[in-house]
Amino acid sequence: NAGVTQTPKFRILKIGQSMTLQCTQDMNHNYMYWYRQDPGMGLKLIYYSVGAGITDKGEVPNGYNVSRSTTEDFPLRLELAAPSQTSVYFCASSYGPGSAEAFFGQGTRLTVV
Amino acid sequence: ILNVEQSPQSLHVQEGDSTNFTCSFPSSNFYALHWYRWETAKSPEALFVMTLNGDEKKKGRISATLNTKEGYSYLYIKGSQPEDSATYLCAFPRSGNTPLVFGKGTRLSVIA
Repeated sequence: NAGVTQTPKFRILKIGQSMTLQCTQDMNHNYMYWYRQDPGMGLKLIYYSVGAGITDKGEVPNGYNVSRSTTEDFPLRLELAAPSQTSVYFCASSYGPGSAEAFFGQGTRLTVV
Repeated sequence: ILNVEQSPQSLHVQEGDSTNFTCSFPSSNFYALHWYRWETAKSPEALFVMTLNGDEKKKGRISATLNTKEGYSYLYIKGSQPEDSATYLCAFPRSGNTPLVFGKGTRLSVIA
């Protein structure tokens, strides 16, 4: 199984540009998450979804949007890129919340210049 | 404690040494405690998910213990090898149906 697949792996954006980070999983997991990782700060939750059609904000949602039209896909949209969004982004999924282990994608390294 | 705290922040050990790190978390309304291993340029992978007070889990040379009453978990690595070099994350859900909150991790470097 492919698990959780993220694209692209690397991207450089100019300030004000938009882009979508793609995430898909083939494990039929209901729960999906977007985290960002900044140096020395650990993983911070941006948005999450508990199933198709349901999304909710995490700890750092400003500047991002998500949608969940299918169980498999959970794209993250940056509308107006800012330097503060330079980070490594990880998509993850799990069968359930709480005690179910999370499976992570390979990450997207985004630089906004 | 409102979040998860890990110590030390980083650790350098010689090959063959045994080592351990700590994860502290809120002891009230406990649901689960996760440990993940994160190698450079890769993605985090689950090591253990622990749910019961007193739980001990083992995978090869790595083991973990859990004390939910006092809110801490220890991760032990016996006879460290260079391939153990990674960042070790712990995480917990604030409630039974919420996403994981991650600590900042302990970065382990094993010197051959």
